[in-house]
Amino acid sequence: DAGITQSPRYKITETGRQVTLMCHQTWSHSYMFWYRQDLGHGLRLIYYSAAADITDKGEVPDGYVVSRSKTENFPLTLESATRSQTSVYFCASSESERVWELFFGEGSRLTVL
Amino acid sequence: SQKIEQNSEALNIQEGKTATLTCNYTNYSPAYLQWYRQDPGRGPVFLLLIRENEKEKRKERLKVTFDTTLKQSLFHITASQPADSATYLCALGWGYQKVTFGTGTKLQVIP
Repeated sequence: DAGITQSPRYKITETGRQVTLMCHQTWSHSYMFWYRQDLGHGLRLIYYSAAADITDKGEVPDGYVVSRSKTENFPLTLESATRSQTSVYFCASSESERVWELFFGEGSRLTVL
Repeated sequence: SQKIEQNSEALNIQEGKTATLTCNYTNYSPAYLQWYRQDPGRGPVFLLLIRENEKEKRKERLKVTFDTTLKQSLFHITASQPADSATYLCALGWGYQKVTFGTGTKLQVIP
């Protein structure tokens, strides 16, 4: 029962570089989400996806790109990393629009120097 | 502006006592409220969901109340144990994508 896995767990990069955080779930959940967690802000939604090839912006989408070509994968790309994107990123999934429980991955800690 | 408030300071409680965590919100009318547990370096784990038309929900040693008039939820852990030590997040929701999280309260259960 692998659930939802994120990679890498830790990443250090430099300003201006492109970074991709991977998210894979084994439940075939329809909905997938990317959140970032920062001190004093709680979890904030970056992007979400209702199904393959359907994505939409959340609260803080600027500087991020997502895709969802397969139901089980939902990568998050920082096209040109900035220091303000230093954060812990969590991928989550939920079964359907009538089941609101979120299942989270273990997180990816990103540091942008 | 919309705001979710959880005690920013840590809550220390003696083992065996009931821990009560508070989630207050303003300028929201959520359809439901959730509580999650988060351990250091881990992702949040879902605990309980309570809908706007429900007053109380229980699961084992956990109890959640939801007062939409006071705009407040209380989260109780009875007979608390050191293993209950973690950060607890409150989340308000309106649908699958409209979920807003509080910043969490750190609970420390002292043996």
